[in-house]
Amino acid sequence: DIQMTQSPSSLSASVGDIVAITCRASQSISNYLNWYQQKPGKAPNLLIYGASTLHSGVPSRFSGSGSGTDFTLTISSVQPEDFATYYCQQSYSPPATFGPGTKVDI
Amino acid sequence: EVQLVESGGGLVQPGGSLRLSCAASGFTFSSYWMSWVRQAPGKGLEWVANIRPDGSERNFVGSVMGRFSISRDNAKNSLYLQMDSLRAEDTAVYFCATIFTSGVFSAHDYWGQGTLVTVSS
Repeated sequence: DIQMTQSPSSLSASVGDIVAITCRASQSISNYLNWYQQKPGKAPNLLIYGASTLHSGVPSRFSGSGSGTDFTLTISSVQPEDFATYYCQQSYSPPATFGPGTKVDI
Repeated sequence: EVQLVESGGGLVQPGGSLRLSCAASGFTFSSYWMSWVRQAPGKGLEWVANIRPDGSERNFVGSVMGRFSISRDNAKNSLYLQMDSLRAEDTAVYFCATIFTSGVFSAHDYWGQGTLVTVSS
């Protein structure tokens, strides 16, 4: 199975900050990488697929980059509603493993 | 509006069985791959299984292989997860989710609210 890691595991930010979260795959996954946001007690929301394509309705302050084994989710100006946990997931080969998550709080 | 509503969770003893259901509406259920994803209390997300639109292909994470089965009834717009030989480590909220595809890429775009399964004596 492909293992996914994320760093940092948590971070503190202020409204307006630029936030970057890194995801690394244990082998090359090309750009088969998704990003999700999850708030406490809620189901995840898809933000980005194909490493860099913004899902419908997702604000443009979110962006994704990377290919191969190293990927980054960037929030260009963090808003109050962005405080949540973020997960990467590879869709290169089953099982579609998730990273352990990065919690973004104030 | 797309809706996914899970049911069937609850408390079960180790070694027991449980069948989860997911009722889908608001989209053409028979056209979509579907998944089950779980989340243990306070932990991250774990993909569990998925199934092709016509049910002809199913995939599982290794830890549930041989114990869980996934099925669907397209006439009833419903997805199921049969869980047998349950273990304490299967305790989690179980989400059903649609698989969105764009070209060669796939991701989970619509999710239910989840149903809690607790395995304990």
